[in-house]
Amino acid sequence: AQSVTQLDSHVSVSEGTPVLLRCNYSSSYSPSLFWYVQHPNKGLQLLLKYTSAATLVKGINGFEAEFKKSETSFHLTKPSAHMSDAAEYFCVVIGSYGQNFVFGPGTRLSVLP
Amino acid sequence: KAGVTQTPRYLIKTRGQQVTLSCSPISGHRSVSWYQQTPGQGLQFLFEYFSETQRNKGNFPGRFSGRQFSNSRSEMNVSTLELGDSALYLCASSFDSTYEQYFGPGTRLTVT
Repeated sequence: AQSVTQLDSHVSVSEGTPVLLRCNYSSSYSPSLFWYVQHPNKGLQLLLKYTSAATLVKGINGFEAEFKKSETSFHLTKPSAHMSDAAEYFCVVIGSYGQNFVFGPGTRLSVLP
Repeated sequence: KAGVTQTPRYLIKTRGQQVTLSCSPISGHRSVSWYQQTPGQGLQFLFEYFSETQRNKGNFPGRFSGRQFSNSRSEMNVSTLELGDSALYLCASSFDSTYEQYFGPGTRLTVT
């Protein structure tokens, strides 16, 4: 069975400082992994995806994530936070064809001026 | 390319009633998934339809049902509404499993 753990329910950073949102996964298969962002009262937007190509994945708005199989991690980073990054972030795993997406509980990112 | 659309965007219903929500996927996408989002339970998977067949189902009671039409549009139905069904219902479409999903804006259902 697949599962996702997001280690922090809330992360607070100052504008201009780095962002690190942590995600660990469990999957019986070589997984596909995604990060989604949800701004208040909006739907979910895809930030980036890993599908067994390069282990360092670049996404939109300056975000990137690194797949580390040995650590079963897929942490999301950004070098410099912007006020507009304040939102809820979800890590998602899918194990294999025909299985459904499994969402993590989410991490709320606050960006302080 | 038009995104995923959901109708209606907001809905208020009374306990015991039933409701039908609609989702139009991105053109060419054959997979449609439905999720329930609440503050307490987060995002929970309801079911997935692919080429008019339910391929996966989450752990929800039988009051929650869905279907998919030949044009890939999907509907979900909730019968005998309960207060706990108040939530944001999100629809997502994708080309197929293991591909990224694209989400609609959601339908906010309030049960009174």
